[in-house]
Amino acid sequence: AQSVAQPEDQVNVAEGNPLTVKCTYSVSGNPYLFWYVQYPNRGLQFLLKYITGDNLVKGSYGFEAEFNKSQTSFHLKKPSALVSDSALYFCAVRDGNNYGQNFVFGPGTRLSVLP
Amino acid sequence: GAVVSQHPSWVICKSGTSVKIECRSLDFQATTMFWYRQFPKQSLMLMATSNEGSKATYEQGVEKDKFLINHASLTLSTLTVTSAHPEDSSFYICSARRLAGGPGRNEQFFGPGTRLTVL
Repeated sequence: AQSVAQPEDQVNVAEGNPLTVKCTYSVSGNPYLFWYVQYPNRGLQFLLKYITGDNLVKGSYGFEAEFNKSQTSFHLKKPSALVSDSALYFCAVRDGNNYGQNFVFGPGTRLSVLP
Repeated sequence: GAVVSQHPSWVICKSGTSVKIECRSLDFQATTMFWYRQFPKQSLMLMATSNEGSKATYEQGVEKDKFLINHASLTLSTLTVTSAHPEDSSFYICSARRLAGGPGRNEQFFGPGTRLTVL
């Protein structure tokens, strides 16, 4: 079975400061990991993914995430937060060994960047 | 890129009526589409998986007679909420996955969502 935990419901950060949104996962097979962002009343927008290769993945809008196999984590980071980054962020995992399996989403973390 | 559209983007209806929501993959073929439901300030809950040309697979607790899914082509899936009631009010999001073996096959591409309000 797969599961995703996002231990923080809410993250507050000042504009210009670095931000981290945490994600840990559990999957029986090969982890394929994703981050999505959702703005109010909108669908999910893809930010980045880890399938294989370098543990540090760079994505859209200056975001990056680091895959840590030993800690089963995939934390989302950005060196300098913008007010416009304020949104709801979802981490998701899929078992890469099972193509037919769907994503499992974390509960979401609301990021507020304060001016 | 891979674009998924949903129509309508929002709908208000009276209790007891049926509402159809369309999900289209605009520039790729999707053998599989997914329907999610999202309550305010909560995560996405998978309702069903829709495969082109076959019956949808519903998640536990989702009434298949209440939420009718039709995946008639490789670019279109529809969700019909039958005899809608206020508790069906929610944000419904679809996603689509490319044909197996193609580029982007590991990703899901999400539609913009449909907000349903049942009075």
